[in-house]
Amino acid sequence: GENVEQHPSTLSVQEGDSAVIKCTYSDSASNYFPWYKQELGKRPQLIIDIRSNVGEKKDQRIAVTLNKTAKHFSLHITETQPEDSAVYFCAASSFNWVNRDDKIIFGKGTRLHILP
Amino acid sequence: DVKVTQSSRYLVKRTGEKVFLECVQDMDHENMFWYRQDPGLGLRLIYFSYDVKMKEKGDIPEGYSVSREKKERFSLILESASTNQTSMYLCASSPESSGGAKIPQETQYFGPGTRLLVL
Repeated sequence: GENVEQHPSTLSVQEGDSAVIKCTYSDSASNYFPWYKQELGKRPQLIIDIRSNVGEKKDQRIAVTLNKTAKHFSLHITETQPEDSAVYFCAASSFNWVNRDDKIIFGKGTRLHILP
Repeated sequence: DVKVTQSSRYLVKRTGEKVFLECVQDMDHENMFWYRQDPGLGLRLIYFSYDVKMKEKGDIPEGYSVSREKKERFSLILESASTNQTSMYLCASSPESSGGAKIPQETQYFGPGTRLLVL
């Protein structure tokens, strides 16, 4: 079946450095890619998303890049801060106009630790 | 501010019991979702609903059913709970997508989660 691979599963980064989390997807029909951040004991919250007609999107310290040919997309966090410590989930969403087959599949998550 | 609430934060049930997990959203969203979250497996979609009385299976619907009688409420039902259904259950809602997809490509707002333990 379709799946989303997310790497790494754990990432430790020195405060101030950059962090990169990568996801690959198998469904070539995927056209919407959100990223969610889940802090310990809290609910997931959307931090950034990208659609298939765009190659890159940036929001302050957070950016997402998408390579549709290679079927991978990445989350980039620059100038990391302690509050960036959390679990991050990527997802790939698609819908098929012909058979109305809709999917959203999440990656397994990356636990990001920001070291002081 | 979008508010998604779940009826319980923690539940303990016995094998074979019928379990109801309730989710309510106050933003008049068309779409609602139920996920389960397990360590190392991320979020997996169980069922979703894009309109009242409409439901669609997600990736892991086996052992679950859902009910959407009112727009603001989406219930997840475990007809006969089993130990492998011990998990964190997350509800989410989102507004209707202009793209026409049944799974909307819009921000999903999550509830606080219900941690279910089946003994």
